[in-house]
Amino acid sequence: ETGVTQTPRHLVMGMTNKKSLKCEQHLGHNAMYWYKQSAKKPLELMFVYSLEERVENNSVPSRFSPECPNSSHLFLHLHTLQPEDSALYLCASSQGTGGSETQYFGPGTRLLVL
Amino acid sequence: AQSVTQPDIHITVSEGASLELRCNYSYGATPYLFWYVQSPGQGLQLLLKYFSGDTLVQGIKGFEAEFKRSQSSFNLRKPSVHWSDAAEYFCAVASQGFGNEKLTFGTGTRLTIIP
Repeated sequence: ETGVTQTPRHLVMGMTNKKSLKCEQHLGHNAMYWYKQSAKKPLELMFVYSLEERVENNSVPSRFSPECPNSSHLFLHLHTLQPEDSALYLCASSQGTGGSETQYFGPGTRLLVL
Repeated sequence: AQSVTQPDIHITVSEGASLELRCNYSYGATPYLFWYVQSPGQGLQLLLKYFSGDTLVQGIKGFEAEFKRSQSSFNLRKPSVHWSDAAEYFCAVASQGFGNEKLTFGTGTRLTIIP
């Protein structure tokens, strides 16, 4: 595997379900990100982890719970979601969190909440 | 706070024609500027980035962008588009810091190529 991988690629869940999104980066990077991509809206930064420590929580509802067990893996735990949470969830990684760092993105998980 | 505007939601171009995608940013100083491309079902891929120096930046896939400070713009260009260039293009800006700097994206421009 190379780059940034995400599983599953598609997920359908009911509002009472609990599911998790997984992201893995094979680039040796120290920072990882979760973004939400909704139609006709800019990418919304959700969480940033640097060296496994959360450094950004962009006012995300508590029904989204991130976890970063090591610098290569990032999870997004989902519970009691709302239909408006349906979106493409993108994971990214970068060497550091400086402004010049290039972020490398995974293919995303397409989430549909019924 | 920094912001990015991509005024064109959707652009249609004939294959072989030239392309220019517009990007305007708002930031108090010279920012770092990026163009990313997203093909259907894929994540975002970096096309090019500007930090300082030469205001004309070359990227992958034959793309280039020009930073114009006086116009707060960073437009993306390609002299001759290929059908494979059909995708969504995102301009992004980051501040010139060394830690926890946020990357702010525009809403994207969807590019359609007609034969």
